[in-house]
Amino acid sequence: AQRVTQPEKLLSVFKGAPVELKCNYSYSGSPELFWYVQYSRQRLQLLLRHISRESIKGFTADLNKGETSFHLKKPFAQEEDSAMYYCALSPGPGGSEKLVFGKGTKLTVNP
Amino acid sequence: DVKVTQSSRYLVKRTGEKVFLECVQDMDHENMFWYRQDPGLGLRLIYFSYDVKMKEKGDIPEGYSVSREKKERFSLILESASTNQTSMYLCASGTVRYEQYFGPGTRLTVT
Repeated sequence: AQRVTQPEKLLSVFKGAPVELKCNYSYSGSPELFWYVQYSRQRLQLLLRHISRESIKGFTADLNKGETSFHLKKPFAQEEDSAMYYCALSPGPGGSEKLVFGKGTKLTVNP
Repeated sequence: DVKVTQSSRYLVKRTGEKVFLECVQDMDHENMFWYRQDPGLGLRLIYFSYDVKMKEKGDIPEGYSVSREKKERFSLILESASTNQTSMYLCASGTVRYEQYFGPGTRLTVT
């Protein structure tokens, strides 16, 4: 069964500090991984996906197949990064159209 | 800009009432999804549709049904609302591999 685990419900850092939001997954095939973000009073939106290997708003995430992880990182957190972050998994090409989400991590960046 | 709209932002219904939640997208997407979002539980897929009149159960379909008569519209129906269906309901359209575009959500309270 596909599963996405975000071990931290809450994460609090100070502005300018590095931040890492953890995501681990279980899936026997070759999944595709995503981070979605929901800012206060805004709709959920895609932040980044591993297949595009891009950096969005200073965030990066590397898929580590050995450790089955897809942690989200930013070297210097900003107050506007405060939001709810969800890691999500898709089975990949030819797989189901279901997207499996983790339970989310609420990030607070303090001034 | 992709637009996914939901018929109501807030809805209050009584136990046993039939409830309709409507979602409309303007990007000609084949796939549409209904999720519920609960604190500590993340997003859970209720149903999705990959074409007009086609639907597939998600992880928590019990107590819900859906209708997709037109490509742009996907309705979620609670046949007999119960208090445990009090939640935030999110509609999305798009693909799991690239991006799902979310609506603003409907906060449903069942009393």
